[in-house]
Amino acid sequence: GAVVSQHPSWVICKSGTSVKIECRSLDFQATTMFWYRQFPKQSLMLMATSNEGSKATYEQGVEKDKFLINHASLTLSTLTVTSAHPEDSSFYICSARDLTGQGGVFGPGTRLLVL
Amino acid sequence: GIQVEQSPPDLILQEGANSTLRCNFSDSVNNLQWFHQNPWGQLINLFYIPSGTKQNGRLSATTVATERYSLLYISSSQTTDSGVYFCAVKETSGSRLTFGEGTQLTVNP
Repeated sequence: GAVVSQHPSWVICKSGTSVKIECRSLDFQATTMFWYRQFPKQSLMLMATSNEGSKATYEQGVEKDKFLINHASLTLSTLTVTSAHPEDSSFYICSARDLTGQGGVFGPGTRLLVL
Repeated sequence: GIQVEQSPPDLILQEGANSTLRCNFSDSVNNLQWFHQNPWGQLINLFYIPSGTKQNGRLSATTVATERYSLLYISSSQTTDSGVYFCAVKETSGSRLTFGEGTQLTVNP
């Protein structure tokens, strides 16, 4: 079946640094990928929709200059958290539409801790 | 936007018990999925069920689209069923998947 991978699985960084998270669709092409953020004990909140070859669409309240999204190929989307602060610490999850277009295939997530 | 409500928020069971989780949504949908999030955070797609009934082993789900709700049934629960169960929907007029707040299930041995 369709699989989505994320790298790294966890990252610890100092406040003010930038962190890049990769989301890859394995064995299938994904023209659209989605980035979610999940705080402890809470639900998933959509941050942005990543479209291959075009600009990402950000949800209301999500700073596009802080969360840079690049979808340069049909199998790779990246999320860069720029000038990270402790409040950016969260679980970041990406997903892609599966081959049938019926559902979302989710990556294993990336835990970010900003000190 | 569409509202998604899940109940109960928390559920504690003894191994072997059956349970029903509910998902109510406020508008017409053309996509409804049930997920299990394991303790490591991985979301496992259980069902794609915008309407009708499906079964997979000890799990089954029913969506009554006209009445805007879906049910997830877990029979003969096992400790490995523990985790958070999310319902997520995409409204007919939209393109994004909206998640409910989830049901935290704990199955004790």
